[in-house]
Amino acid sequence: DGGITQSPKYLFRKEGQNVTLSCEQNLNHDAMYWYRQDPGQGLRLIYYSQIVNDFQKGDIAEGYSVSREKKESFPLTVTSAQKNPTAFYLCASSILPGSPLGEQFFGPGTRLTVL
Amino acid sequence: AQSVTQLDSQVPVFEEAPVELRCNYSSSVSVYLFWYVQYPNQGLQLLLKYLSGSTLVKGINGFEAEFNKSQTSFHLRKPSVHISDTAEYFCAVIDSGYALNFGKGTSLLVTP
Repeated sequence: DGGITQSPKYLFRKEGQNVTLSCEQNLNHDAMYWYRQDPGQGLRLIYYSQIVNDFQKGDIAEGYSVSREKKESFPLTVTSAQKNPTAFYLCASSILPGSPLGEQFFGPGTRLTVL
Repeated sequence: AQSVTQLDSQVPVFEEAPVELRCNYSSSVSVYLFWYVQYPNQGLQLLLKYLSGSTLVKGINGFEAEFNKSQTSFHLRKPSVHISDTAEYFCAVIDSGYALNFGKGTSLLVTP
């Protein structure tokens, strides 16, 4: 079955450590996205990528970094510069970047907790 | 930037009763609107979307929404809810042609 996988499902990190969240899709989608979800705040865009080797900052990119070396993979690194990283992180992809016809499909999410 | 406002953070309702979850959007020449559902500790699933054409949009699980340009609204409705409809519901709009701009969500709690 085609879809988006995120790993791990739960992640614990000590303060000062960088961690990388995995996102893989086998839908052959060009565009991929990372969102952060906090209780009562909805989803906020961290980064998005429309094509391999290209990505743009979203609304809350500070303290995060991404790479897009392969079409199917879009890992997110939460750096020690992110002041409040505890949150639920969602990855999404769509076939047509910038088009409303390109429905976004979401992965199951990774819950990151900083100890 | 285009945005949406979900007017209710929580909506409690009894099983088999009708429900309406409200969403208003910022006015724009063209707008594309979506409703997503999120079950606990899961990703989001698309319920329905409005791109153009008929203002009444039917989605999955018996949900429908009506696009109202004069009131800049896109309210989600279901005539009879089930316990399994308990979830978080998000209204969203395409922002700057690339990513979705989400509302803060409405928590629907269905009780027997």
